[in-house]
Amino acid sequence: GAVVSQHPSRVICKSGTSVKIECRSLDFQATTMFWYRQFPKQSLMLMATSNEGSKATYEQGVEKDKFLINHASLTLSTLTVTSAHPEDSSFYICSARAPGSGGTYGEQFFGPGTRLTVL
Amino acid sequence: LAKTTQPISMDSYEGQEVNITCSHNNIATNDYITWYQQFPSQGPRFIIQGYKTKVTNEVASLFIPADRKSSTLSLPRVSLSDTAVYYCLVGRAKAGSSNTGKLIFGQGTTLQVKP
Repeated sequence: GAVVSQHPSRVICKSGTSVKIECRSLDFQATTMFWYRQFPKQSLMLMATSNEGSKATYEQGVEKDKFLINHASLTLSTLTVTSAHPEDSSFYICSARAPGSGGTYGEQFFGPGTRLTVL
Repeated sequence: LAKTTQPISMDSYEGQEVNITCSHNNIATNDYITWYQQFPSQGPRFIIQGYKTKVTNEVASLFIPADRKSSTLSLPRVSLSDTAVYYCLVGRAKAGSSNTGKLIFGQGTTLQVKP
């Protein structure tokens, strides 16, 4: 299957700082990427849908000013956690949707995740 | 988006066949059923997708009855490395103005394979 990478894989930061996480589709172009957050022993929670060249669509309850998403190219989306606090510590996972055909959405491929720890 | 219900956990032994059933009573006509596998501290990995009847690939089979209100993921002869969380998702495969094709994850089933 297609490969999606995330960088960094793990980050530790101090409270109040901002952290940027990159999501790249390595061998396909993704007009749409998705950002998820997963707390320990819980399922993935969709945070936002990132569309290349336009503003992201955030799920209810997700603060758009805190979680800045930029989808500047067809292979790169970034999530910036601004003014991070300990409660933002979580596992952040992105997915990239491959091009579809015949009016059907392409398959979503997930990145390996980024472990954020805010001290 | 149709809600899914799965058992929270299942135990099995190496070499056994494992069947995980997912209920999706409100599945819509255009919805497909997709299963993902997730290991700790990794992103989910696609296992199989189907619309009706039976689908089989190199790792699993997916059984979907005629009413499509449930589906069963079948893992043949599991090994210790199949210990993971398995998610059943229901969503639109066809693009349209009324849906974005986003995937909403339920609680998943934690499968523990014992030696």
